[in-house]
Amino acid sequence: KNEVEQSPQNLTAQEGEFITINCSYSVGISALHWLQQHPGGGIVSLFMLSSGKKKHGRLIATINIQEKHSSLHITASHPRDSAVYICAVISSGSARQLTFGSGTQLTVLP
Amino acid sequence: DADVTQTPRNRITKTGKRIMLECSQTKGHDRMYWYRQDPGLGLRLIYYSFDVKDINKGEISDGYSVSRQAQAKFSLSLESAIPNQTALYFCATSDYSGYTFGSGTRLTVV
Repeated sequence: KNEVEQSPQNLTAQEGEFITINCSYSVGISALHWLQQHPGGGIVSLFMLSSGKKKHGRLIATINIQEKHSSLHITASHPRDSAVYICAVISSGSARQLTFGSGTQLTVLP
Repeated sequence: DADVTQTPRNRITKTGKRIMLECSQTKGHDRMYWYRQDPGLGLRLIYYSFDVKDINKGEISDGYSVSRQAQAKFSLSLESAIPNQTALYFCATSDYSGYTFGSGTRLTVV
């Protein structure tokens, strides 16, 4: 079983829809990243969070440490949101290694 | 200029050739990492370095070597490239505020 599980693996939505991507993990963490990877390949960090909720524009990330679960929400989705969204956890302890989920491919249709 | 710069962006090389991928950063971070990404798989850690004198193997270090020439520079070498090393390679840096990724190097070994 992977230490970081994302769902769904693929998601197709119509422009304007509210989108949720889920991430569950099984290890102790100090923080969690949500990353975005566009078709060109580059990876951008959207959020790093260790508790509660963060918001940036139409993106909202939440984390529940007790339940070992995080969600990424996109409100009023747009075709430019089409990308792969990756959840990655930072292990607790001095090593602070990143362990990645396999990603969610999001396609937003106009 | 990007905070984390990888060169080259794309490379095609022949089996058995030695190749070096370079990474430089302007973030001032001590910690640097090399990851590879294969289709359908999460990013996997090849090597990491916590400072110039500290180099550590990741989960898939076989067939790779690294050099940390300075705080800002971390290069990855494939001593004798093989086709199953065809992948997208990412360099990253981190501190306690999170991770920053380079744009990736797409390597094809034929």
